[in-house]
Amino acid sequence: SQTIHQWPATLVQPVGSPLSLECTVEGTSNPNLYWYRQAAGRGLQLLFYSVGIGQISSEVPQNLSASRPQDRQFILSSKKLLLSDSGFYLCAWKGQLLYYEQYFGPGTRLTVT
Amino acid sequence: AQTVTQSQPEMSVQEAETVTLSCTYDTSESNYYLFWYKQPPSRQMILVIRQEAYKQQNATENRFSVNFQKAAKSFSLKISDSQLGDTAMYFCAFILTGTYKYIFGTGTRLKVLA
Repeated sequence: SQTIHQWPATLVQPVGSPLSLECTVEGTSNPNLYWYRQAAGRGLQLLFYSVGIGQISSEVPQNLSASRPQDRQFILSSKKLLLSDSGFYLCAWKGQLLYYEQYFGPGTRLTVT
Repeated sequence: AQTVTQSQPEMSVQEAETVTLSCTYDTSESNYYLFWYKQPPSRQMILVIRQEAYKQQNATENRFSVNFQKAAKSFSLKISDSQLGDTAMYFCAFILTGTYKYIFGTGTRLKVLA
């Protein structure tokens, strides 16, 4: 069966520091991968998605970047964090199946101080 | 552009009762998928149910069922025999067939009362 991992689970970082969040998927190949951000009590904001190694589509962020160095690895990065980067970051995957189901990782709670 | 609207920010229901959460969407396309996700206090997003637009039959998963009205662009979730563990945020989501981007609603916070 497929599983998705995210780490770290919780992160507290000062403003101006770098960021690296990692997501890996097991049990599937060539998944579509996604990064979302969720502010407290709010909906999901799509940040990036990737349909293959090295293929990244950016939806919104100016301060964040994403990379996909391996088929089942998706990394979210920042060179200098802003206070507004605080939130709950969710990684998700969608397989090559017919039904377009998307599955989420456990998330990373990021607090920028 | 496609949109998803959840007009009920918060709802509550007594344990063992039935509750219906509303979702409407807007698209000019005919081939798409709709989903309901549950996000409990742990914040793990859990897929509850899926509906293919080409199917007229409403999807059902145990105590969860949907009322899919394609012409009205409505996709409501019915939870029967509500349990305390159903307390969560519920998100409606949409994706066009052949695309990669999911559109999520703003969520409905459901509280099941003992």
